Formats: sequence, structure tokens, C-alpha cells
Amino acid sequence: NAGVTQTPKFQVLKTGQSMTLQCAQDMNHEYMSWYRQDPGMGLRLIHYSVGAGITDQGEVPNGYNVSRSTTEDFPLRLLSAAPSQTSVYFCASSYRRGFGAGGELFFGEGSRLTVL
Amino acid sequence: KQEVTQIPAALSVPEGENLVLNCSFTDSAIYNLQWFRQDPGKGLTSLLLIQSSQREQTSGRLNASLDKSSGRSTLYIAASQPGDSATYLCAAPQGGSEKLVFGKGTKLTVNP
Repeated sequence: NAGVTQTPKFQVLKTGQSMTLQCAQDMNHEYMSWYRQDPGMGLRLIHYSVGAGITDQGEVPNGYNVSRSTTEDFPLRLLSAAPSQTSVYFCASSYRRGFGAGGELFFGEGSRLTVL
Repeated sequence: KQEVTQIPAALSVPEGENLVLNCSFTDSAIYNLQWFRQDPGKGLTSLLLIQSSQREQTSGRLNASLDKSSGRSTLYIAASQPGDSATYLCAAPQGGSEKLVFGKGTKLTVNP
């Protein structure tokens, strides 16, 4: 089982460049989300989706865009990278919205982004 | 706004010891709470998902409890092993929303 797949695993950008972090899951999960993890700040929710065509903002959405055109994919776009976006990014998915019984959150291995 | 706190930030124990990790949350209007494990350089792995109706969940040597009235959850690890060394995080939804709020974790070291 592939589970949640994130690409790329590592990326270095220059300030102002744009890029897309890819996330795909093969578990037919309804809920998908993006987090960033920073030392001393923990995991913070960027954006999430409860189904194809439905997205919403999390705690730290500024500077990031998302879309959910299919159940499987949930890409995260950085339109103009800034050094403050240097972080480890995690994609996570769950079978059920609301995290009810059987709704454990499954995480990808992470994407390490450095913005110079 | 939901705030999730985990104390202590780090814990070191000898192998074989039983231990308890603590998680507190401010918004008790939750229906569930999750515990995760994170190994260095890796993603998070779900350990236990507790529904408020269950109040307790068990998986092997792990037992998690949930007390909404006091805003607390505990993760009990029996007979700890060096392989249990990792960072343990808890997460609770913000009110009735789909937004999950994480604690900063407890880094556990089990010494052989």
C-alpha cells in the first residue's frame, strides 16, 4: 500500500520562486490536509479539504494555495516563496471527515523546503 | 480557540518502566482525540483515536484515556522498550470543526 505520497522530499528555492508540493493518497480518503512543522511551533494546519472541490483555510494559510480536483490529489502551491516558508511540510488524510471511528489521520513522509 | 498542551516536553526513563504522557486541551467540545508517534525525520504515525463516547482505547502496550470534563487525555505505555523512543503528539479538533490542533509533543527516551 502506497498510503500518502509526497513529492518532492527535498527542495531548495530562491525567494520569489514558485513551486507546488504534491500529495496523493490511494486510500479513497475523504479528508486531506497540509501541515507545516517548525521547531518550537509544532504542527500547524495550513489548508484542508473534506472532498473534491471543497477546501478551507487552517491556522496559517497566507502564502499558500490549494485545490482539490480529484479525491486522490491535494497539491499545495507556494506562489512567491519567502524565507519564512522554510519548513517541513506534511500532507495527511483521513477516511472520514470529523475523525469519527475509523477516521485516523495518515501522514506522508514530509517535504523539506528551504527558501534562500 | 483550541489549545493543546503536552507536559513534559521531554522524558527519559529506564527500560521496563511504565509511564504516562499527558495531554490537556482547552476546548472540551470535542468528539475525539488522537495520539501519534513521530520518529526523527519521519512523518507521524497514528497510535490511537479515542471517541468521546469510548473514553478509553487500547492497542498492545498502549492505553489512551479521554476525560472531556477535565480537558485531559493520557497515554499509558506499559513495560517501555528502547524502540518506544520517539516524540509522542496528541491532537484535538477545534470545537466541532474539521481543524485538528496538535500539541508540541513529548520526546520520550527509553534507556536500555
